[in-house]
Amino acid sequence: GQQLNQSPQSMFIQEGEDVSMNCTSSSIFNTWLWYKQEPGEGPVLLIALYKAGELTSNGRLTAQFGITRKDSFLNISASIPSDVGIYFCAGREGISNFGNEKLTFGTGTRLTIIP
Amino acid sequence: DSGVTQTPKHLITATGQRVTLRCSPRSGDLSVYWYQQSLDQGLQFLIQYYNGEERAKGNILERFSAQQFPDLHSELNLSSLELGDSALYFCASSARGQGMDTQYFGPGTRLTVL
Repeated sequence: GQQLNQSPQSMFIQEGEDVSMNCTSSSIFNTWLWYKQEPGEGPVLLIALYKAGELTSNGRLTAQFGITRKDSFLNISASIPSDVGIYFCAGREGISNFGNEKLTFGTGTRLTIIP
Repeated sequence: DSGVTQTPKHLITATGQRVTLRCSPRSGDLSVYWYQQSLDQGLQFLIQYYNGEERAKGNILERFSAQQFPDLHSELNLSSLELGDSALYFCASSARGQGMDTQYFGPGTRLTVL
């Protein structure tokens, strides 16, 4: 199935460091989403982006919707132990048209914080 | 807690068997989505239902089928199971199944096919 290219695949950082990850696609998306998944849990929505060029923050998290509509970036500042998990980007082609609401997910970035 | 419930949490079965996974959406949500997450893979969209009707289909195998009932809960049926079907299966729900709706994910069902 179609997937987004997400990088890096994994990151090992020290507490307090900043984190950057990105997602690219060959297709245009009208919505970009960033999810976090912890072991044994389903993905939880962190940030949603609806407009090309949009920059949105959620606490220490900042995400941007690329101008080309084919990429998105997520930054985490001053990482803390609870940031550990797998981060997924997801794109949605539809805007408000029914029947095209599926999300296409990236392959994930596994974040590990080294004590 | 997203408000989406999935049962069972774990399921172990043998090749060739058939299983049913169940999902209850958040209260008031009309749309249900099913996703498959294989080991070290991202989530693959399988199918979406809205108010009992199929709305969108992904790369769902013919051996798999789903339905959404009048009380809005949904079931994913997997038959003639193969080893490669071992995965986490997530259900998500959203209010209307429209473009800007947030999809809330359940905790998943881990299926192991031996």
